[in-house]
Amino acid sequence: DVKVTQSSRYLVKRTGEKVFLECVQDMDHENMFWYRQDPGLGLRLIYFSYDVKMKEKGDIPEGYSVSREKKERFSLILESASTNQTSMYLCASSDSAGVDEQYFGPGTRLTVT
Amino acid sequence: ELKVEQNPLFLSMQEGKNYTIYCNYSTTSDRLYWYRQDPGKSLESLFVLLSNGAVKQEGRLMASLDTKARLSTLHITAAVHDLSATYFCAGYSGYALNFGKGTSLLVTP
Repeated sequence: DVKVTQSSRYLVKRTGEKVFLECVQDMDHENMFWYRQDPGLGLRLIYFSYDVKMKEKGDIPEGYSVSREKKERFSLILESASTNQTSMYLCASSDSAGVDEQYFGPGTRLTVT
Repeated sequence: ELKVEQNPLFLSMQEGKNYTIYCNYSTTSDRLYWYRQDPGKSLESLFVLLSNGAVKQEGRLMASLDTKARLSTLHITAAVHDLSATYFCAGYSGYALNFGKGTSLLVTP
């Protein structure tokens, strides 16, 4: 079974802090994704990575950056957290890009105060 | 860019009843995905529909895909409370999945 894990289920940070969200997958997938989910807005893609050190912006990359130094790990970084970044963050991975289903981690509920 | 529209967005149904959730998408796609999300939880893959006319069934849920109509349906038969969740359909646009807004299903006694 594919397993995608995220470093925290719940996180509370203060405005202006730098925040790191970590995601690890154990299936040697090429592609990894970060989404945020908000009520009424559904899931929106922040960034994705199709290979180590490769990344592409999604629909809402502003205020975020990512890092993929190893194939199994994809990090989302909030450089200076703001209250409008309070959300559920979901990491996913897939094998062939644009073809295979994506497997999701358990999610991190981030609150920025 | 593929856009996905689901309806209804909210559905309250009685146990034992049947209903269908509709998923329309904007551009040609030969595969479509359905996910389930329980409150406070992540997304769980339900069905992967890979070609026109594909039909998949698991328990009381059946999903189908009509690529010519750009339509997928998720049919619920004889609903039970355990099916209460939010259901998403999604299709690929380039590398990334585009999701519908989800259908929140509540099954009541």
